[in-house]
Amino acid sequence: GENVEQHPSTLSVQEGDSAVIKCTYSDSASNYFPWYKQELGKRPQLIIDIRSNVGEKKDQRIAVTLNKTAKHFSLHITETQPEDSAVYFCAASRGRDDKIIFGKGTRLHILP
Amino acid sequence: DTGVSQDPRHKITKRGQNVTFRCDPISEHNRLYWYRQTLGQGPEFLTYFQNEAQLEKSRLLSDRFSAERPKGSFSTLEIQRTEQGDSAMYLCASSSDRVSGNTIYFGEGSWLTVV
Repeated sequence: GENVEQHPSTLSVQEGDSAVIKCTYSDSASNYFPWYKQELGKRPQLIIDIRSNVGEKKDQRIAVTLNKTAKHFSLHITETQPEDSAVYFCAASRGRDDKIIFGKGTRLHILP
Repeated sequence: DTGVSQDPRHKITKRGQNVTFRCDPISEHNRLYWYRQTLGQGPEFLTYFQNEAQLEKSRLLSDRFSAERPKGSFSTLEIQRTEQGDSAMYLCASSSDRVSGNTIYFGEGSWLTVV
């Protein structure tokens, strides 16, 4: 089955700097890659997703890139702000007929 | 709020007791998922339903766990003879196959503590 690896497990960046979180997946049939943000004590919430027919997607300060050949994808957050502090999860799925498998998460700390 | 709702939000039980969690998905979402999350880990897939049919169950899931979705709406997750290792947050999520891709929306979770 699908296996999603996520790095780093913890990341600290200065406010205003960029943060990058990287993930790899094992199942070449996976074609949907969402990213979720989870604040302490709250539910995971979708922040951005990408499908295999595109290589990059942006939404304001957040961007995701996908390299299907290498089976890895990344989340980029620019101009980080204190409210970006949270745990971020990458995930992969073979599409709408399949479950979503999550990585172990990256705890992002934004330093003042 | 018409999001995914879960009940109870918190449950403390003694080892060996049975517990049941309920999930009400977003209205008209035909897919429903159960995940388990422990501290410092990502959501771990347990099982999922399309309408009332249970399509897949994780091989990691003990026989003590059973889930149902009898009418294709709400779902229950029962854990029999609870063990301390079952302590975790149990997350329910739902999605619609009428929307492209597989965006799932999580509930707030049900925290289980086995003492």
